[in-house]
Amino acid sequence: DTGVSQDPRHKITKRGQNVTFRCDPISEHNRLYWYRQTLGQGPEFLTYFQNEAQLEKSRLLSDRFSAERPKGSFSTLEIQRTEQGDSAMYLCASSPDGGLRFYEQYFGPGTRLTVT
Amino acid sequence: QQQVKQSPQSLIVQKGGISIINCAYENTAFDYFPWYQQFPGKGPALLIAIRPDVSEKKEGRFTISFNKSAKQFSLHIMDSQPGDSATYFCAAPNNAGNMLTFGGGTRLMVKP
Repeated sequence: DTGVSQDPRHKITKRGQNVTFRCDPISEHNRLYWYRQTLGQGPEFLTYFQNEAQLEKSRLLSDRFSAERPKGSFSTLEIQRTEQGDSAMYLCASSPDGGLRFYEQYFGPGTRLTVT
Repeated sequence: QQQVKQSPQSLIVQKGGISIINCAYENTAFDYFPWYQQFPGKGPALLIAIRPDVSEKKEGRFTISFNKSAKQFSLHIMDSQPGDSATYFCAAPNNAGNMLTFGGGTRLMVKP
């Protein structure tokens, strides 16, 4: 049983650089979510996909952030021109489709981003 | 916009004791309330969830109680163990039902 995987697990970058994270969801899950979590806080919703369609984006997601899910499989989250305030754990989750199962979200281990 | 308020922020319980964490939500059109458990360096893991047709759900030592009129729900951990030491998050769907809003988390420490 393979869960949600994320790569890389850790990323240190200098301010102004671009970074890209990858998420591989559980294979039979149609929905994929990105969250951001800072120390001592709960996950904050960023965006989600139903198959390859990006259906919702949080106001937290500035123009420097973009997410894709080509072919409805893996997803990438890119942050351009990183700022120190982008330092956080970026979590990916997936869930099956169908009724309330949408809320049974399975999280990956996260990518910890540090912007210096 | 959904808001979820979770309390307490931290909790220390002796081994064998009962841990109680509370959550209050504002609005939701969907009565489905999950709890997640997160260990340091790991992503949150779905622990237990309650659906709209019941006021209580029990799984092993974990119980969710739901009070719809008060818009509150709580997690009870019976016979708390040191291995339960983690951060717990409650969550609630927003009105559109297309995303979960998480509480701020409760850091639980169970002393041996």
